[in-house]
Amino acid sequence: EAGVAQSPRYKIIEKRQSVAFWCNPISGHATLYWYQQILGQGPKLLIQFQNNGVVDDSQLPKDRFSAERLKGVDSTLKIQPAKLEDSAVYLCASSLNQGSYEQYFGPGTRLTVT
Amino acid sequence: EDQVTQSPEALRLQEGESSSLNCSYTVSGLRGLFWYRQDPGKGPEFLFTLYSAGEEKEKERLKATLTKKESFLHITAPKPEDSATYLCAVISGTYKYIFGTGTRLKVLA
Repeated sequence: EAGVAQSPRYKIIEKRQSVAFWCNPISGHATLYWYQQILGQGPKLLIQFQNNGVVDDSQLPKDRFSAERLKGVDSTLKIQPAKLEDSAVYLCASSLNQGSYEQYFGPGTRLTVT
Repeated sequence: EDQVTQSPEALRLQEGESSSLNCSYTVSGLRGLFWYRQDPGKGPEFLFTLYSAGEEKEKERLKATLTKKESFLHITAPKPEDSATYLCAVISGTYKYIFGTGTRLKVLA
């Protein structure tokens, strides 16, 4: 079974530029999560999708971050414009459905904002 | 406010030296507590789910236990390959997933 795929693995941008991350969850998984993990901290949930609907985006900085999951499969997370404090690893995870709590994580995208 | 606190932040053990990691939590309507392992440069890897106080789960050298206020991850006779960051997470009654900051474990040969 293929795992959660993410790209790119690494990205370096200057502040005020924009960036997008892509995630392909495990086939058949209805729930998709985006997390931000700052060095030395645990992952912080940014947004949770159930199929193509948003379940929770309470911690997503909506003035600069956006995410979509148009066909209930792949998802993209965008930052525009980026700030220095956005430097982090962005993790995507999926689970079978909202009631299945076991999450499978991708390798993450390491973003550096200079 | 829902919160997860892990201790210690870092732990160094000699190979074979057993120890425990702690995860204390305050959450409304706990639906489950999870332990993950995270290796450098990788995403967290699921280890255990615990649902109710008194529950225990085991996998190789790891054993997770749960009380009403905390969970322990016991590591018996650890090996260098057990070196990683161990993350604890809870899911609240409103389905919010909250992670702790992790314990960085280093097992020396």
